[in-house]
Amino acid sequence: GAGVSQSPRYKVAKRGQDVALRCDPISGHVSLFWYQQALGQGPEFLTYFQNEAQLDKSGLPSDRFFAERPEGSVSTLKIQRTQQEDSAVYLCASSLLGGLSILGNYNEQFFGPGTRLTVL
Amino acid sequence: SQQGEEDPQALSIQEGENATMNCSYKTSINNLQWYRQNSGRGLVHLILIRSNEREKHSGRLRVTLDTSKKSSSLLITASRAADTASYFCATPLAGNTPLVFGKGTRLSVIA
Repeated sequence: GAGVSQSPRYKVAKRGQDVALRCDPISGHVSLFWYQQALGQGPEFLTYFQNEAQLDKSGLPSDRFFAERPEGSVSTLKIQRTQQEDSAVYLCASSLLGGLSILGNYNEQFFGPGTRLTVL
Repeated sequence: SQQGEEDPQALSIQEGENATMNCSYKTSINNLQWYRQNSGRGLVHLILIRSNEREKHSGRLRVTLDTSKKSSSLLITASRAADTASYFCATPLAGNTPLVFGKGTRLSVIA
């Protein structure tokens, strides 16, 4: 069984360019998460989908960031007019179940290898 | 913002020694998780400890949780060069909602 895959693995963009990052979650996983990891830091939450519904986008740093998951499977994170501060590794994770679970319930998140974005 | 704070930020030990990393967090949790990240395998889940547990073991890993102090520790026994990686603690805000990670401890195990 394949894990979470992301493409491209590396992306170099000139400042002002638009980029699109793809995530293929584990087949059948309901939930999908995007995280941003700056150099030397831990991952920080960007946005979360349950199937095709975007339930939380509170972590998106600006309106230049947009994510979609139109068919409840593959997701794309788009960054418009990239800036140097957007340089980071973008991680995607998926988990089997969705929704707020009862206290103590746990749905493991499986992470992809990430896309390293460098904005020049 | 990041909930967890690991310490030390970096740790260098000889192969065969034990490595201990600590994590402190700010708000109430229902579980705490430890992850490992290296360039070869990305971010990998290691172990989860629930809020009503005090200690948990998995192979060479031992995790403790002290909810009164809002802290956790990860002990790796008999370390190997392959344990060289960054280690993060993470807590879900609630249920299946996103994980909040600390800044991580960079562990180097020297053969």
